[in-house]
Amino acid sequence: RKEVEQDPGPFNVPEGATVAFNCTYSNSASQSFFWYRQDCRKEPKLLMSVYSSGNEDGRFTAQLNRASQYISLLIRDSKLSDSATYLCVVNEKDSSYKLIFGSGTRLLVRP
Amino acid sequence: GAVVSQHPSWVICKSGTSVKIECRSLDFQATTMFWYRQFPKQSLMLMATSNEGSKATYEQGVEKDKFLINHASLTLSTLTVTSAHPEDSSFYICSALGAGQGQKTQYFGPGTRLLVL
Repeated sequence: RKEVEQDPGPFNVPEGATVAFNCTYSNSASQSFFWYRQDCRKEPKLLMSVYSSGNEDGRFTAQLNRASQYISLLIRDSKLSDSATYLCVVNEKDSSYKLIFGSGTRLLVRP
Repeated sequence: GAVVSQHPSWVICKSGTSVKIECRSLDFQATTMFWYRQFPKQSLMLMATSNEGSKATYEQGVEKDKFLINHASLTLSTLTVTSAHPEDSSFYICSALGAGQGQKTQYFGPGTRLLVL
């Protein structure tokens, strides 16, 4: 079983749509959680951290369910520029700072 | 903000040659850097953790004699792919651990695309 699992997609949605991505992680000792965005042939860039209480950054909302070991990302009012691969990332132990990446969910926003 | 550079951005080499990739933290010091590899349509896989002034820590299945890491200063780590073969062709990405907003954050370099013929 992969440590971090995501639906690879692609999710093909029209501009303005709301889209949600899910992610599960296997290690219950995981401490920190993130969503990264990766454009084609580029490095990943931090989109947002995910906090236990859930958090929002503009059109993006992240949720964490520790009991179910489940993380989600909701994108409202999708823009063409949101087209990218979204990576679910977990840090197992704060002291190691090692990041475990999911394989990513690809999003295509069409006009 | 924290900036990490990599050089070269892409390289094509013949099988059997060695390739050195540099990772630099431009505006901050990083005692810890990480090296990742990403094959097409796959996730980033951590290869090793590079610690300034000490030996790197390699992940399981990564050959330390093939992927030589040197972290000689607080702003530079290098990865040398020795005797490269076509199966080593990949996207190599480094990150440097810096102080973010209240917690340490990995800042990623732009990556180096390696093609071994």
